[in-house]
Amino acid sequence: GAGVSQSPSNKVTEKGKDVELRCDPISGHTALYWYRQSLGQGLEFLIYFQGNSAPDKSGLPSDRFSAERTGGSVSTLTIQRTQQEDSAVYLCASSFRMRGETQYFGPGTRLLVL
Amino acid sequence: TQLLEQSPQFLSIQEGENLTVYCNSSSVFSSLQWYRQEPGEGPVLLVTVVTGGEVKKLKRLTFQFGDARKDSSLHITAAQPGDTGLYLCAGVNRGSTLGRLYFGRGTQLTVWP
Repeated sequence: GAGVSQSPSNKVTEKGKDVELRCDPISGHTALYWYRQSLGQGLEFLIYFQGNSAPDKSGLPSDRFSAERTGGSVSTLTIQRTQQEDSAVYLCASSFRMRGETQYFGPGTRLLVL
Repeated sequence: TQLLEQSPQFLSIQEGENLTVYCNSSSVFSSLQWYRQEPGEGPVLLVTVVTGGEVKKLKRLTFQFGDARKDSSLHITAAQPGDTGLYLCAGVNRGSTLGRLYFGRGTQLTVWP
């Protein structure tokens, strides 16, 4: 595709439910990143993939958060037993390789946990 | 603790005014990027600065990287309503082997006609 796409664009869920967020990176981009953006908090790094492996998971806030990437392309971020503090915009970005290259961001998924 | 501190957090000005946004850190960065984000969209890269003391211009926007590569500034001349948005600085920490970008919290700029 022409750019990074994310789905759903908006998600409202009840506390305690699981949610899955999807990211389709730019074709050919081997590096993929997940960030969380809360109001007034800037972008918080969650996890980085190089191909299908995740050499840096240090930003995942708890074991309720997990992510996987298959086929070196699509990635899914899963949040189990959602809490109200998980409400935020979840942004995905991809870059051609890694190492500080330009990251191209998707439009984000707005998650609201009631 | 925020690795990159941006100031001001909010800026509301009239069309035609000039402004400067600052991005500061106690850490050295191998490169620093500026992004602009509009509501409902992801951040879009404006510029990357790599060399200490480097100055880059993008129309009415001037970006500067500090000599010590610890800070950067964005100056907008004769701001227009179309400049409204969230401006984010992001840096690759020197010594990072994974190219992780650290983001500042952003400056929300509003330019009134």
